[in-house]
Amino acid sequence: DQQVKQNSPSLSVQEGRISILNCDYTNSMFDYFLWYKKYPAEGPTFLISISSIKDKNEDGRFTVFLNKSAKHLSLHIVPSQPGDSAVYFCAAPGAQKLVFGQGTRLTINP
Amino acid sequence: SAVISQKPSRDICQRGTSLTIQCQVDSQVTMMFWYRQQPGQSLTLIATANQGSEATYESGFVIDKFPISRPNLTFSTLTVSNMSPEDSSIYLCSVNGQGVVETQYFGPGTRLLVL
Repeated sequence: DQQVKQNSPSLSVQEGRISILNCDYTNSMFDYFLWYKKYPAEGPTFLISISSIKDKNEDGRFTVFLNKSAKHLSLHIVPSQPGDSAVYFCAAPGAQKLVFGQGTRLTINP
Repeated sequence: SAVISQKPSRDICQRGTSLTIQCQVDSQVTMMFWYRQQPGQSLTLIATANQGSEATYESGFVIDKFPISRPNLTFSTLTVSNMSPEDSSIYLCSVNGQGVVETQYFGPGTRLLVL
């Protein structure tokens, strides 16, 4: 059972525009959600999180929105920069482990 | 944050052989985690390595295939045994972070190709 799903394997956005990455989940008991960013040949790095009691968390160019009724969260990057090209994973805390989505490969085009 | 290193960074191996991956952390940690990321797939937890006790394996992973050692609080190894091409993957170790939100810090990964 895939508790955290990212249905878009890839996304291409023009530099300067907004990138929106989506994530759906099935377990309404998750306390918080995390977004990770992964460059090739590197491990994932933590990017931003959101508590389940909030509907928005902003950190610079990155904003995560949580819609609990829809069991959906999204990561907005604005403006998008070439260095944002990476694979993005959403994750949630399962039983003593993180549960990851499949990842979305974001490509920022100049 | 924790600084994590892994050896080797990549390897190409023949089927039927075994490879041991090392993970070193710059601070003492209770739990270390081993993940696998197969091509085009998500990050899948293989096992949790606790110092002084047997590793805890996730469903679908067994000790005979992925033996783990945890000799101290800063080091762990994962062995991929009797490899087949299906074991071609990126193997990552990670540790829990300290903070309000329990994040995880990952090593750079070991890219394994089995021919």
